[in-house]
Amino acid sequence: QKEVEQDPGPLSVPEGAIVSLNCTYSNSAFQYFMWYRQYSRKGPELLMYTYSSGNKEDGRFTAQVDKSSKYISLFIRDSQPSDSATYLCAKGGSQGNLIFGKGTKLSVKP
Amino acid sequence: GAGVSQSPSNKVTEKGKDVELRCDPISGHTALYWYRQSLGQGLEFLIYFQGNSAPDKSGLPSDRFSAERTGGSVSTLTIQRTQQEDSAVYLCASSLSSGSIYEQYFGPGTRLTVT
Repeated sequence: QKEVEQDPGPLSVPEGAIVSLNCTYSNSAFQYFMWYRQYSRKGPELLMYTYSSGNKEDGRFTAQVDKSSKYISLFIRDSQPSDSATYLCAKGGSQGNLIFGKGTKLSVKP
Repeated sequence: GAGVSQSPSNKVTEKGKDVELRCDPISGHTALYWYRQSLGQGLEFLIYFQGNSAPDKSGLPSDRFSAERTGGSVSTLTIQRTQQEDSAVYLCASSLSSGSIYEQYFGPGTRLTVT
């Protein structure tokens, strides 16, 4: 079992929809969590990070962590075509690194 | 300010040749990380530096891979005797320190193709 699991999609939604992206993790150590967005042929871009269970909001983006079920989510409200990208979840690792999910490819249709 | 820069952006090399990839972190960032992104494999951690020191090299896939950092700034990742399975995008990231691992900023990557 990989330490961070993420459904690769692809996920296609109409503009304005609420998007839910999800990951699960197995190792309870190093519990800080990140969401990155990656456009095609670009490096990942940090969207949000959080340490705590519960919700953290930043504009149209909400990161949610449920440590009891080892589940992390990213919600995007009022999705836009410019949100079309691959979204990567990540958590801390034991080597001073981040451990990434494989990414979910999102397409927002106008 | 300037972000993380990497060079070259693309590299095509023949199997068996050595390649050197360069990373220039954000100014003032003391921690630097190398990852590899292969199709269908996601991002795989290779190595990180705090200053010029790499505490753990166990993420490097084989002894053909080595990395160094000098002057607490630029880092190079060297792959000797390249193999086709080394083809991937090599990404570099930096953070203010190893304590701010949660806030890593990535460069655009070097796309390596081994023919």
